[in-house]
Amino acid sequence: SQQGEEDPQALSIQEGENATMNCSYKTSINNLQWYRQNSGRGLVHLILIRSNEREKHSGRLRVTLDTSKKSSSLLITASRAADTASYFCATDAGPNNNDMRFGAGTRLTVKP
Amino acid sequence: EAQVTQNPRYLITVTGKKLTVTCSQNMNHEYMSWYRQDPGLGLRQIYYSMNVEVTDKGDVPEGYKVSRKEKRNFPLILESPSPNQTSLYFCASTSSDAFDTQYFGPGTRLTVL
Repeated sequence: SQQGEEDPQALSIQEGENATMNCSYKTSINNLQWYRQNSGRGLVHLILIRSNEREKHSGRLRVTLDTSKKSSSLLITASRAADTASYFCATDAGPNNNDMRFGAGTRLTVKP
Repeated sequence: EAQVTQNPRYLITVTGKKLTVTCSQNMNHEYMSWYRQDPGLGLRQIYYSMNVEVTDKGDVPEGYKVSRKEKRNFPLILESPSPNQTSLYFCASTSSDAFDTQYFGPGTRLTVL
């Protein structure tokens, strides 16, 4: 069954605005990862946050994790048209780090 | 030509003998990562690096080390290899500015006896 669920399913913003996408999950996790996918292409790993971490930054990306609420958010600041893509969260709860579950994704459109 | 190179492509070694797998990219990418691929398990991330001198553990970091002294190079080090590290290893790089496409190296087939 699907573990991560992204919210919203689709988001449309203007270039320069910030984009926030949320992910909720059901069971305890070892870590949570965010990926990006352009149409017709493979997944690109963005960032991994562990269950004992609360926040991580990388350039224009900021990820938070709230294990008490079983949720994570991905913030993209100062968005660009090139950020247009689908964004997925994936949770890893397996004992051997081989049980990764992906959500359905948020489709982000950044208008120039 | 934009590419990610790995060396060696094939390596057979014995338990406990330190080894290094090199990875180099010529695209000036900030983000680089190492994966291992095992039958039935897909790709699992070992370590990744968001920029020079910035590294972070992935899903399965135990038994591995990495370093990122230069932007183009991201070597994977096995200080004391064990048979359970027999696997196919891939290096990959991505531009942190675009996160548009992840470029993978050709893979290194490692066997630890």
